[in-house]
Amino acid sequence: AQSVTQLDSQVPVFEEAPVELRCNYSSSVSVYLFWYVQYPNQGLQLLLKYLSGSTLVESINGFEAEFNKSQTSFHLRKPSVHISDTAEYFCAVSDQDDYKLSFGAGTTVTVRA
Amino acid sequence: EAQVTQNPRYLITVTGKKLTVTCSQNMNHEYMSWYRQDPGLGLRQIYYSMNVEVTDKGDVPEGYKVSRKEKRNFPLILESPSPNQTSLYFCASRGFSNYGYTFGSGTRLTVV
Repeated sequence: AQSVTQLDSQVPVFEEAPVELRCNYSSSVSVYLFWYVQYPNQGLQLLLKYLSGSTLVESINGFEAEFNKSQTSFHLRKPSVHISDTAEYFCAVSDQDDYKLSFGAGTTVTVRA
Repeated sequence: EAQVTQNPRYLITVTGKKLTVTCSQNMNHEYMSWYRQDPGLGLRQIYYSMNVEVTDKGDVPEGYKVSRKEKRNFPLILESPSPNQTSLYFCASRGFSNYGYTFGSGTRLTVV
């Protein structure tokens, strides 16, 4: 099973500034990669996922993540954040031959005006 | 609507009083799993099930039980809850032929 490291536990950012959330996983075997978002007092929502194909994946609300196999990373970026992006973000990884989804510890993004 | 339904959403109980958190999915998914979420630790897997009558321990199974008598249901049982089981719990399911995990809305449990 994978070990997932989210390198920043807290990321404060000003509105309209860019943000990058870093995620590394432990093994370079074939994987599926996910980012989930949890808004305050809510459940988990899938933000985006990488299954195969293009290493750059995008969400409908402006986030993108790039799969880098050699660096075993799946960093999440947004060029311009909004107040409404304030949330906790979780990176999750699953080996392709396993069903277990392993999560990082989470990164709390706080967007200030 | 495809969904995973957990009940209750909130629960406050006392130490030692047995409780069950229910989880039901309507997608005919084979794989189901329970997670607990704690600050600074992310989500950790408690138990999972590959199909009816097939369950196995995850990373933090101590103090929990599960059963899978029907494909749609996967209850989480705390026989003797303790304060260190105070947490936010999520149930999730996934089909063998797709790669998307569907999560329930969560159950916030407080053990006093």
